[in-house]
Amino acid sequence: ELKVEQNPLFLSMQEGKNYTIYCNYSTTSDRLYWYRQDPGKSLESLFVLLSNGAVKQEGRLMASLDTKARLSTLHITAAVHDLSATYFCAVDGGGADGLTFGKGTHLIIQP
Amino acid sequence: DVKVTQSSRYLVKRTGEKVFLECVQDMDHENMFWYRQDPGLGLRLIYFSYDVKMKEKGDIPEGYSVSREKKERFSLILESASTNQTSMYLCASRIDTGELFFGEGSRLTVL
Repeated sequence: ELKVEQNPLFLSMQEGKNYTIYCNYSTTSDRLYWYRQDPGKSLESLFVLLSNGAVKQEGRLMASLDTKARLSTLHITAAVHDLSATYFCAVDGGGADGLTFGKGTHLIIQP
Repeated sequence: DVKVTQSSRYLVKRTGEKVFLECVQDMDHENMFWYRQDPGLGLRLIYFSYDVKMKEKGDIPEGYSVSREKKERFSLILESASTNQTSMYLCASRIDTGELFFGEGSRLTVL
């Protein structure tokens, strides 16, 4: 059974700081996805990582995938308040049952 | 752009009532999914469908059923709503890269 673990689950940080969210998964996969969720809203796709070594960047967010280590990271550079949200990673286990999600990282960025 | 539309954003129902949650996607995708999201538990897969009239149980199907009579429409049915089914329900459609696109969500309260 595929398991996906994110850490930390809760993160409070100050604007201007850098930080990394980690996503570990338990079985072989080379497809990993990052989503953002704002309070009361649905999930919005951020990054799609489809191979070992894949790196994607959008603004202050950068995601990478190491399939050998079964690890993805979401790096935040010089955080700003607008990035406050819950971030989920999700892994494709290869079956028809879609993605397996981590529990999410609740990120608060304080001015 | 992929559009996934959920018919009701907010519903309040009484225990024992039958509840229909409808989801429509406009991109001719074969795979559709229903998740529920609860604080501290993340997203849990209820049912999914990979074709018209085809359905498969996810991780927590008890108390739910689904219907897929047309490719674009995937409905979640609570035959007799209970208070422990109070939750946020998220419908998603899947594209070729494996990425899921989510609807806006339906927040159900069962009294």
